[in-house]
Amino acid sequence: SAVISQKPSRDICQRGTSLTIQCQVDSQVTMMFWYRQQPGQSLTLIATANQGSEATYESGFVIDKFPISRPNLTFSTLTVSNMSPEDSSIYLCSVEVLAGRKETQYFGPGTRLLVL
Amino acid sequence: DQQVKQNSPSLSVQEGRISILNCDYTNSMFDYFLWYKKYPAEGPTFLISISSIKDKNEDGRFTVFLNKSAKHLSLHIVPSQPGDSAVYFCAASAAGNQFYFGTGTSLTVIP
Repeated sequence: SAVISQKPSRDICQRGTSLTIQCQVDSQVTMMFWYRQQPGQSLTLIATANQGSEATYESGFVIDKFPISRPNLTFSTLTVSNMSPEDSSIYLCSVEVLAGRKETQYFGPGTRLLVL
Repeated sequence: DQQVKQNSPSLSVQEGRISILNCDYTNSMFDYFLWYKKYPAEGPTFLISISSIKDKNEDGRFTVFLNKSAKHLSLHIVPSQPGDSAVYFCAASAAGNQFYFGTGTSLTVIP
């Protein structure tokens, strides 16, 4: 299993500023994911962050706007840069744990961001 | 401590029959519950939700039932179709705060 914590749990930010969200896992995992859930919408994958390689971004998301760090197997950060009100969302990190041949996905508690 | 639990990691159902996916939670403050469906290599997709003021919500083939006294919710899919084969996550939150996800149930619908 994997227990994931995120900081901050919520924040209110001003337009044009940046916020870095931290994701800490209690065990070493190879694959970490960052998701966004905007009001009334599904979870949307932003990027996949594997330790030791550059993050892979999904269509519509770019590194300049959402830089990601993955310094080790238990930690990652997602920065939301130059924020606008459209970035108001819940940001979740997630990990995939392989046990035998079974993959299980675990989600963090989310970071609720409001941009004014 | 896992506040939302899906105790069945997998479920197989014949096409046309009913699929019932279960979810238990421990926090009585949870007031909003969601189900997501996830295909391999894709992000989860919102399926259906229910607030604690209701005990049932229906959307087409999908119905979610909430039993607050038992702290239990279930997702019914009827009739099940092969395209429903996916991993299903339940999630819960309290007063619009943090989400707590279950670990998912892998549903296989057999043609």
